[in-house]
Amino acid sequence: AQTVTQSQPEMSVQEAETVTLSCTYDTSESNYYLFWYKQPPSRQMILVIRQEAYKQQNATENRFSVNFQKAAKSFSLKISDSQLGDTAMYFCAFGDFGNEKLTFGTGTRLTIIP
Amino acid sequence: DTAVSQTPKYLVTQMGNDKSIKCEQNLGHDTMYWYKQDSKKFLKIMFSYNNKELIINETVPNRFSPKSPDKAHLNLHINSLELGDSAVYFCASSQDFRDSSAGELFFGEGSRLTVL
Repeated sequence: AQTVTQSQPEMSVQEAETVTLSCTYDTSESNYYLFWYKQPPSRQMILVIRQEAYKQQNATENRFSVNFQKAAKSFSLKISDSQLGDTAMYFCAFGDFGNEKLTFGTGTRLTIIP
Repeated sequence: DTAVSQTPKYLVTQMGNDKSIKCEQNLGHDTMYWYKQDSKKFLKIMFSYNNKELIINETVPNRFSPKSPDKAHLNLHINSLELGDSAVYFCASSQDFRDSSAGELFFGEGSRLTVL
């Protein structure tokens, strides 16, 4: 069974700074997806970024980028120029082909300080 | 237009009661899910359906019964509610995982169930 570990339960950073959230996972699959989801206080789960394991290039979405290290099974999220609206729980998630579900980590609560 | 909508958003009820949460998606997706988020924010899959067929049942008590009348709807019925059932229940949908562009889940806003 796949497991996803987020070792930072809480983090805080000043507005406009850069922050990196860590995620590691365990799987025997070679082809899979990785995701970062954001859950603000409104409770809605929002996709931040996704990475296909077969792609070597790290995914980027505006201020959000990932550092995907397949051999190390590591998938960290970097948020640049952090904004107050980035305050949320962030969940790392793993999904593999043929197993129609995502496995989520325990989340990191990120607070952006004005 | 709401992509995945679930009702009700809040539900407060007494132990022992039976309640239902409804979910609808207008994305044309083949697969729908129920996830449970506990008080520590841990998200765990309960069920998934693909084209109305049950695909995943993750050791959920049989007091929980999902029903998918068509691929756009997945409802969750809970019998004999217990205190430990208090949680936020999220409905989600995705394209078939075998589709190369699939994998992403689209979530509803969640339904907060409180059992007293």
